[in-house]
Amino acid sequence: DTGVSQDPRHKITKRGQNVTFRCDPISEHNRLYWYRQTLGQGPEFLTYFQNEAQLEKSRLLSDRFSAERPKGSFSTLEIQRTEQGDSAMYLCASTIGGIYEQYFGPGTRLTVT
Amino acid sequence: KQEVTQIPAALSVPEGENLVLNCSFTDSAIYNLQWFRQDPGKGLTSLLLIQSSQREQTSGRLNASLDKSSGRSTLYIAASQPGDSATYLCAASNTGKLIFGQGTTLQVKP
Repeated sequence: DTGVSQDPRHKITKRGQNVTFRCDPISEHNRLYWYRQTLGQGPEFLTYFQNEAQLEKSRLLSDRFSAERPKGSFSTLEIQRTEQGDSAMYLCASTIGGIYEQYFGPGTRLTVT
Repeated sequence: KQEVTQIPAALSVPEGENLVLNCSFTDSAIYNLQWFRQDPGKGLTSLLLIQSSQREQTSGRLNASLDKSSGRSTLYIAASQPGDSATYLCAASNTGKLIFGQGTTLQVKP
């Protein structure tokens, strides 16, 4: 499989629980992006990594959110103390550089009850 | 701050019709503009990427144009088919991250 993969595809959790999502980018891509999409809206940027370095974080990324990309390979996005407003599709994308095409994974749909 | 707008929000056409989707952006200092397709509940599929130095790109029945001076891009779909029904998103990149419009939801009726 040469595409971007995300796991899990769906997650239902109760308010206040912690959740963690994983993204595996295309193997030679050194940039990895996280976006969030709510119903009827376009995706919004959350954060991105160049190799293992997290270079930019959106103001949407509150202190309950943390992302890592150890060794510049896969990335994880953790949400602590989930709230109902966190319910959304979380999308991961990878690319070989800032001016090049971004390839998206299938997304993780989070529902907070 | 880059803002991206797509018009119309929804479009319904009969099969076989040629159609144009519009995308406008406020900051012309872009690296590139990318068009995506999204099926309900799914991720994004990249359709076309236009670099800032290019005017258009073509793939099959799809043609995307870019006019940086006016802050506009269009996606032309020729001979539409029911399988083209989906949401189409455009996204502008100034610093690498993508800024998306809200999308145009297209329905092609048989």
